[in-house]
Amino acid sequence: DAMVIQNPRYQVTQFGKPVTLSCSQTLNHNVMYWYQQKSSQAPKLLFHYYDKDFNNEADTPDNFQSRRPNTSFCFLDIRSPGLGDAAMYLCATSRRNQARGLETQYFGPGTRLLVL
Amino acid sequence: AQTVTQSQPEMSVQEAETVTLSCTYDTSESDYYLFWYKQPPSRQMILVIRQEAYKQQNATENRFSVNFQKAAKSFSLKISDSQLGDAAMYFCAYTKLNTGNQFYFGTGTSLTVIP
Repeated sequence: DAMVIQNPRYQVTQFGKPVTLSCSQTLNHNVMYWYQQKSSQAPKLLFHYYDKDFNNEADTPDNFQSRRPNTSFCFLDIRSPGLGDAAMYLCATSRRNQARGLETQYFGPGTRLLVL
Repeated sequence: AQTVTQSQPEMSVQEAETVTLSCTYDTSESDYYLFWYKQPPSRQMILVIRQEAYKQQNATENRFSVNFQKAAKSFSLKISDSQLGDAAMYFCAYTKLNTGNQFYFGTGTSLTVIP
């Protein structure tokens, strides 16, 4: 089945130790997103890629970076995690279609990050 | 600016009964999509239902239906014959059809189903 896959599902890191979260998709979608979600809150968009074009949200801290080496994969790098970065990180994909515009967004299962 | 408002932080419903979750949004666009997503505790966010703004007919998916009032910018979700598995956080979301790639989410409604 086509899907959005996130690895790992749980990640424990130490304060200040860089960490990378990964996302892959088999949907061949041209848009990929990274969201941060804290308990019982709405997902907060960090950034997204439209093909190779990177779009950063204005309030995303510099501590968060992303890479999209190809259509299928996207990575979230947290350079120096702080205690406040402990959250669920959701990857999502969508397709921008010339005829129909932006289509439904599909989410991965998320990676729960714990910062010690 | 696009905003999505869910005014009910928490709702509860008796099993087998019907519940309606509210959502309003603000936009100057005429073409857009609206969505309801469900996120069970510690589980994946999944799409419940989608509405295209240019369609006047309300979307329906089995026990889930929407009441889309474009002029009022209202998009409520009705869950009929509620089941225990419907317990989850429900998010209303909006995206423009033709420009930008962002999805805008409401703050969510936590639905409890009482056996």
